[in-house]
Amino acid sequence: DSGVTQTPKHLITATGQRVTLRCSPRSGDLSVYWYQQSLDQGLQFLIQYYNGEERAKGNILERFSAQQFPDLHSELNLSSLELGDSALYFCASSLGTSIRETQYFGPGTRLLVL
Amino acid sequence: AQKVTQAQTEISVVEKEDVTLDCVYETRDTTYYLFWYKQPPSGELVFLIRRNSFDEQNEISGRYSWNFQKSTSSFNFTITASQVVDSAVYFCALRNSGYALNFGKGTSLLVTP
Repeated sequence: DSGVTQTPKHLITATGQRVTLRCSPRSGDLSVYWYQQSLDQGLQFLIQYYNGEERAKGNILERFSAQQFPDLHSELNLSSLELGDSALYFCASSLGTSIRETQYFGPGTRLLVL
Repeated sequence: AQKVTQAQTEISVVEKEDVTLDCVYETRDTTYYLFWYKQPPSGELVFLIRRNSFDEQNEISGRYSWNFQKSTSSFNFTITASQVVDSAVYFCALRNSGYALNFGKGTSLLVTP
């Protein structure tokens, strides 16, 4: 158990809908990262927050947004969902932003868009 | 640009065989970190090891060992006396000046009894 929690574990929804994925980092960690894992793209970095502020953006679509709250939990919002958004979404956390820090991953949220 | 290549897509071995998973990386940075993660069938990503670019010492942890060679830009992972529980997808990742982990495509390892 990495100490990172994600809810829900599974999500089934329809095209055009909006969903929110939630992540709680390990105790003491200030950085939260979101990754998407799909069969064709592999594991791709979406976005990072550090202590409530956005720090880096990767291949995140404009239909996707995220935020980190004062209690450090983070939410990833996916809107106008398409079939291609079906994937496993991971949250990871680390203490800070140093490249030497290990990112610990949550169990993931498996999203299926029908 | 940075890139991680795991050329072996799938490997199948019989229990107790040794197996090596290859990882080759590309980066222009002199300071970087390399990681290995394991993704068992249950889906979570489990951290295995971290290595920085200045430390070329090989590491052994039980049946697992890692060989880091800067000269060939490789960070290979060997499982000795494999077990069925080692069946998983293994990812090599690179982190340099950016915030993100750059992952390889992964190697799916199947260990059969």
